[in-house]
Amino acid sequence: GDSVTQMEGPVTLSEEAFLTINCTYTATGYPSLFWYVQYPGEGLQLLLKATKADDKGSNKGFEATYRKETTSFHLEKGSVQVSDSAVYFCALTTGQAGTALIFGKGTTLSVSS
Amino acid sequence: EPEVTQTPSHQVTQMGQEVILRCVPISNHLYFYWYRQILGQKVEFLVSFYNNEISEKSEIFDDQFSVERPDGSNFTLKIRSTKLEDSAMYFCASSSQGARDTQYFGPGTRLTVL
Repeated sequence: GDSVTQMEGPVTLSEEAFLTINCTYTATGYPSLFWYVQYPGEGLQLLLKATKADDKGSNKGFEATYRKETTSFHLEKGSVQVSDSAVYFCALTTGQAGTALIFGKGTTLSVSS
Repeated sequence: EPEVTQTPSHQVTQMGQEVILRCVPISNHLYFYWYRQILGQKVEFLVSFYNNEISEKSEIFDDQFSVERPDGSNFTLKIRSTKLEDSAMYFCASSSQGARDTQYFGPGTRLTVL
């Protein structure tokens, strides 16, 4: 079945460091790919998405490129801030109405000043 | 900016009791979902709902669970007889006709079963 694999955390960085969180997927068909962020004590917020191969999603300085050849959707940010500390979830859906989002296990990011 | 809302934020109940979790999806959205997240684990899909019927459900969504859209704004999840293992954060989500693959989540209801 469809699945998402994320790198194990936690990831601990200093402020202004470069961030990469790896995400790979297995899916039949042509999935849409997403990154969601969960700040402490809050719900899931959509961070960015990409719906087809070579698309780049971006938001708040975060980017991820849909790589069909490597079935990957790695999240990157050039310079992290303390406020980026959160849990990041990679997810996919096959894009049809009513289809479940399938999430990875989440990666905890902790940024210190 | 429109958002999904959920009530209550925290529900404590005794094992065997019925609970109803409530959600108000974004007003022009037509697709509705429930997910749950047991503490420290991944977010898991429960059920999706469109046009007043269930579109898809997971193995978790057994006969103890039901969903309903009782009026034009609310979407509810009912657990008939709660078990200890139902303790989790429950998230409601919705998506629109024009961007069906993009789901927006509410802040969640933390359910604690004692």
